[in-house]
Amino acid sequence: QVLLQESGPGLVKPSQTLSLTCTVSGGSVSSSGYSWSWIRQLPGKGLEWIGFIYYNGGTYYNPSLSSRLTISADTSKNQFSLKLTSVTAADTAIYYCARRGSTITTGWFDPWGQGTLVTVSS
Amino acid sequence: DIQMTQSPSSLSASVGDRVTVTCRASQGILNSLAWYQQKPGKAPKLLLYASSRLEGGVPSRFSGSGSGTDYTLTISSLQPEDFATYYCQQYYSSPFTFGPGTKVDIK
Repeated sequence: QVLLQESGPGLVKPSQTLSLTCTVSGGSVSSSGYSWSWIRQLPGKGLEWIGFIYYNGGTYYNPSLSSRLTISADTSKNQFSLKLTSVTAADTAIYYCARRGSTITTGWFDPWGQGTLVTVSS
Repeated sequence: DIQMTQSPSSLSASVGDRVTVTCRASQGILNSLAWYQQKPGKAPKLLLYASSRLEGGVPSRFSGSGSGTDYTLTISSLQPEDFATYYCQQYYSSPFTFGPGTKVDIK
């Protein structure tokens, strides 16, 4: 059973960089056939796909965030990470990591981590 | 971007009711649609993918159908544990987008 767990600061100041890590257990971030994703949920609102990293290290970002976004992986720790620069209050959200298939026909997200709330405030 | 809409935005139903949630995409998505269930304080849980394929372990009272731009999630007999918010998601093209959700609560 694959489990994902997000970690990182719960409070980030405006204009700074939001950094989160997702630790994967029961599976490998370098397993072919999967990609590893970040999704966020704005307070009281819907879900927004942020981006993902493929098992081979390739990345794919939401164009609305791509100029501020970096997703990377550390295969030795079986983790992948999110860095979002120049944050504002609009980036306040619950951030989830999730596994996704590696093809366009397997693009659903399953499983998900429990989520971590990140608040952007001074 | 493909916009996803859901209707209704909320509904009240009783245990045992048949419930239907509709999801519409702004363009055809060739059955590249997933449904999720989210309970308060929890992460979304995958229910169905490819429009109608049931994820392992999901009760058979959940079903999905549709084609083109219009898709439906049906709960054949609502159970107490089904009161939650339901989201659709298209994975046909980037950016991969979610519907705004349908909240199902107790009548």
